[in-house]
Amino acid sequence: GNSVTQMEGPVTLSEEAFLTINCTYTATGYPSLFWYVQYPGEGLQLLLKATKADDKGSNKGFEATYRKETTSFHLEKGSVQVSDSAVYFCAISNFGNEKLTFGTGTRLTIIP
Amino acid sequence: EAEVAQSPRYKITEKSQAVAFWCDPISGHATLYWYRQILGQGPELLVQFQDESVVDDSQLPKDRFSAERLKGVDSTLKIQPAELGDSAMYLCASSLSSGTSGSREQFFGPGTRLTVL
Repeated sequence: GNSVTQMEGPVTLSEEAFLTINCTYTATGYPSLFWYVQYPGEGLQLLLKATKADDKGSNKGFEATYRKETTSFHLEKGSVQVSDSAVYFCAISNFGNEKLTFGTGTRLTIIP
Repeated sequence: EAEVAQSPRYKITEKSQAVAFWCDPISGHATLYWYRQILGQGPELLVQFQDESVVDDSQLPKDRFSAERLKGVDSTLKIQPAELGDSAMYLCASSLSSGTSGSREQFFGPGTRLTVL
């Protein structure tokens, strides 16, 4: 079955710092890859996605590249803001089946 | 902007009691999902509906959990009897359809936080 291993948190950074949250996966077939974000008191929101090898998903200054050779989908942002404080989840699903398998989440706190 | 609605937002109950959660997906979304998110963990799929039919309930504890989507629109998830280990966030999500053209975005509701005492 599918599984996702995500960087342990919590992560605390200063504003304008560079962010990396690591994510690796195991899957049967050729999965689609996602990053979801959960702000306090809210449901999950799709942040970005990639559906094939070497695709780069991007949104709100965040980026992640589908690396099939290393089965990874690391999330990066060049300059974080206080408003980026949230919990970030890496997730995968198989082609034709939208069932999502999530990582454990990484809590990110940005201090001014 | 269309959203997935869930109620209640919070529920406190005693063990052995029955609880029910309601979800109204985005209009036109044929696929509906119920996830359970235990504190400090990622969501895990409990049940997936395509219209009114169950597509996947392999992780649903069927001795105490039940889910229905009678008219293929809104859905109810029930637990009877509730146990201490059921304390979690229950998330509902919907998507246009599961199909062969690749993964479609799931839109999540705000969740129902259940506390079992």
